[in-house]
Amino acid sequence: GQNIDQPTEMTATEGAIVQINCTYQTSGFNGLFWYQQHAGEAPTFLSYNVLDGLEEKGRFSSFLSRSKGYSYLLLKELQMKDSASYLCAAMDSNYQLIWGAGTKLIIKP
Amino acid sequence: GAVVSQHPSWVICKSGTSVKIECRSLDFQATTMFWYRQFPKQSLMLMATSNEGSKATYEQGVEKDKFLINHASLTLSTLTVTSAHPEDSSFYICSARDPGDGSPLHFGNGTRLTVT
Repeated sequence: GQNIDQPTEMTATEGAIVQINCTYQTSGFNGLFWYQQHAGEAPTFLSYNVLDGLEEKGRFSSFLSRSKGYSYLLLKELQMKDSASYLCAAMDSNYQLIWGAGTKLIIKP
Repeated sequence: GAVVSQHPSWVICKSGTSVKIECRSLDFQATTMFWYRQFPKQSLMLMATSNEGSKATYEQGVEKDKFLINHASLTLSTLTVTSAHPEDSSFYICSARDPGDGSPLHFGNGTRLTVT
């Protein structure tokens, strides 16, 4: 079956770096998305990877290894506003999005 | 855990016809549901916020007369694409928030619409 796994919760310190991992199993693959979502709000798009490697976008970077079915989101210079849930979603061959349950990131001062 | 069921998973229709997509919260009551649209390899775009018992709130640029949203009960919201055209072909996904558990939005698996 199709599945996405990511940690339920992580805690990090303001100013530090945190890496949120995601592993996926899908029928075919058309890319992997990361979204940020604050409580009670719609998710906001962070990144999309379809080729292997690291994509850097400001303080956020996303990595993909298709052979390993693995991705991570790297957040640098953490700020309190980064406290949110981070959703990993893989798109299968039918362009269906398979969503992870989200990783709740708690930033401590 | 909370589950959001979206139906159908995929649909092919002819240009000019209307298509209805259902979004159901299976084990919780959702006063608010969200409808998104996503083109291949692009980000999820919020179309509208569906509120139970009241009119939906549409995002800028989304035609409310074309994308009819009905949220008649606490467990069901529907999106009807009226007079569909090929450019409406896209991936539509709904999500719902369970106010009882404080968790992030729960998403449906989406509906792939192809208009021929």
